[in-house]
Amino acid sequence: NAGVTQTPKFQVLKTGQSMTLQCAQDMNHEYMSWYRQDPGMGLRLIHYSVGAGITDQGEVPNGYNVSRSTTEDFPLRLLSAAPSQTSVYFCASSPETSYEQYFGPGTRLTVT
Amino acid sequence: SQKIEQNSEALNIQEGKTATLTCNYTNYSPAYLQWYRQDPGRGPVFLLLIRENEKEKRKERLKVTFDTTLKQSLFHITASQPADSATYLCALFSGGYNKLIFGAGTRLAVHP
Repeated sequence: NAGVTQTPKFQVLKTGQSMTLQCAQDMNHEYMSWYRQDPGMGLRLIHYSVGAGITDQGEVPNGYNVSRSTTEDFPLRLLSAAPSQTSVYFCASSPETSYEQYFGPGTRLTVT
Repeated sequence: SQKIEQNSEALNIQEGKTATLTCNYTNYSPAYLQWYRQDPGRGPVFLLLIRENEKEKRKERLKVTFDTTLKQSLFHITASQPADSATYLCALFSGGYNKLIFGAGTRLAVHP
């Protein structure tokens, strides 16, 4: 099993550009989530999904969209990048919300 | 508002001693509490889960306690080693919110 994979590893965007961060898991997990991690602030939940076709907002959803058309994939879209979205983004999956989370390696995003 | 607090200052200890990290929370009634380890440049890795009706959980050199009256969890590493140096994150699952929320983490440095 590859576990949770994320692409790209690094990305630089200009303000106003859009992009999609990819996340995939091969463990048949129902629950998937996106976090951003900033220095001193820990992991903050952006969006999550409890199964294909179901998504909901986390703590900091503004400026991000998600969809879950398959169990395996949970892409995160930045609609119009802003410098405040400079961060490290982690995707995670688990069999259920309350179970241990399996994290991907992260995407480091810089918006200039 | 809901808050999870972990000591933001790094914890420096000598090899062989017991490291104790604290996680305090307010305005939550968590059903579960989890601890994760994060190394620089990597995603968090799950260590232990403790439920609200459990007082203590152990795994090898790790021990977690959960006091719902004090609203606190303690994470202990006995016989610490330099390889235990990392950032340790606590996370709360509250069934009412169906989300896993993380603290900012505490960096542990174990010196030979």
